[in-house]
Amino acid sequence: GENVEQHPSTLSVQEGDSAVIKCTYSDSASNYFPWYKQELGKGPQLIIDIRSNVGEKKDQRIAVTLNKTAKHFSLHITETQPEDSAVYFCAASPNSGYALNFGKGTSLLVTP
Amino acid sequence: GAVVSQHPSRVICKSGTSVKIECRSLDFQATTMFWYRQFPKQSLMLMATSNEGSKATYEQGVEKDKFLINHASLTLSTLTVTSAHPEDSSFYICSARARPSTDTQYFGPGTRLTVL
Repeated sequence: GENVEQHPSTLSVQEGDSAVIKCTYSDSASNYFPWYKQELGKGPQLIIDIRSNVGEKKDQRIAVTLNKTAKHFSLHITETQPEDSAVYFCAASPNSGYALNFGKGTSLLVTP
Repeated sequence: GAVVSQHPSRVICKSGTSVKIECRSLDFQATTMFWYRQFPKQSLMLMATSNEGSKATYEQGVEKDKFLINHASLTLSTLTVTSAHPEDSSFYICSARARPSTDTQYFGPGTRLTVL
């Protein structure tokens, strides 16, 4: 089955700096890669996603890049703010009919 | 749009009792709902996939007789934890997908279950 690795497990940056979280996946059939933000005691919130026919996608301060050859994808947050502090999960799905396989999460702390 | 609710948000019960958790898609019809379990500081673990009108598909290691899932309508799925034990204490989260052909999953706010 699909195995999603996520790094780093914790990340601390200063407000205004950029944060990058990386994930790798094992199943070459995976074609959908969402990123979720989870605050303490809440459910995950979809922040951005990318499909395998696209190499990069951007939404304001958030961007995701995908390298299908190397089987890795990354989340980039620019101009970080304290409210960006949360746990971020990457996920991969081989097909529209399948559930998501999650990485282990990255705890991001943005200090003022 | 794409709002998923869960009820209750928090429940405490005695060992041996059963607890029902509801997952509703509020502004769309969900042909498929997923149930996840999350332990503190860990990732989400898929428990089962629930398709409207059919039996749920359980992941390996998840007891279907203990975690009963019913997806009776396009907007409601329920998870019943039967004969709950302290080790069942966890954060249970559902997600919903609008159509079979779409990948996007929207998650509920989660239910914190504590079994005494």
